[in-house]
Amino acid sequence: QVQLQESGPGLVKPSQTLSLTCTVSGGSITSAAYYWSWIRQHPGKGLEWIGNVYYSGSTYYNPSLTSRVTISLDTSNNQFSLKLSSMTAADTAMYYCAGNPSDGRVLGSAFDIWGQGTMVTISS
Amino acid sequence: DIQMTQSPSTLSASVGDRVTITCRASQSTTNWLAWYQQKPGKAPKLLIYKASSLESGVPSRFSGGGSGTEFTLTISSLQPDDFATYYCQQYNTYPVTFGGGTKVEIK
Repeated sequence: QVQLQESGPGLVKPSQTLSLTCTVSGGSITSAAYYWSWIRQHPGKGLEWIGNVYYSGSTYYNPSLTSRVTISLDTSNNQFSLKLSSMTAADTAMYYCAGNPSDGRVLGSAFDIWGQGTMVTISS
Repeated sequence: DIQMTQSPSTLSASVGDRVTITCRASQSTTNWLAWYQQKPGKAPKLLIYKASSLESGVPSRFSGGGSGTEFTLTISSLQPDDFATYYCQQYNTYPVTFGGGTKVEIK
């Protein structure tokens, strides 16, 4: 059974770059079976998809964040990562990594694997 | 972007009630629509995918319906474990988008 675990700093200063890692266990990140995404949730609010990466390294980003986002694979450690630059207070949120099965479509299926989430606060 | 609008935003119900949540899309998502349940402090959990397919292990009291731009999630007989927030999500077009959520509260 594939499991995901986020890691990274809980506190980031304004204007800095956030770096988060999602470790995949019970499966290979180089498998074509899954797309790997980052999703965030502002306190008390709904869910916002940030972007994803496929085993090939191809990525899709939310246009609202694309200028600040990089998602990449680390195949040697079976991880994928998120970098979000120019952080502001508006980026304070719970950040989740998630996986959705590849089904032959560009987007794949629904998110059936989620990490537990990591809270990131932006403050000086 | 496809905007997803859920109604109601909050729903008060009793154990045993039949509950229906609606999700409307700003344009057609065909049937590429999922429903998630989220409890406080936890990650969302997939309940329904492809509008009406029940995820493995999810109780059969949950069902999904609809296509195009209007979708429903129905809980046939509300159980104590079902008090949570529910989100719809379209995965027809990038960017993937979620509804604003429906909180199901104890009446």
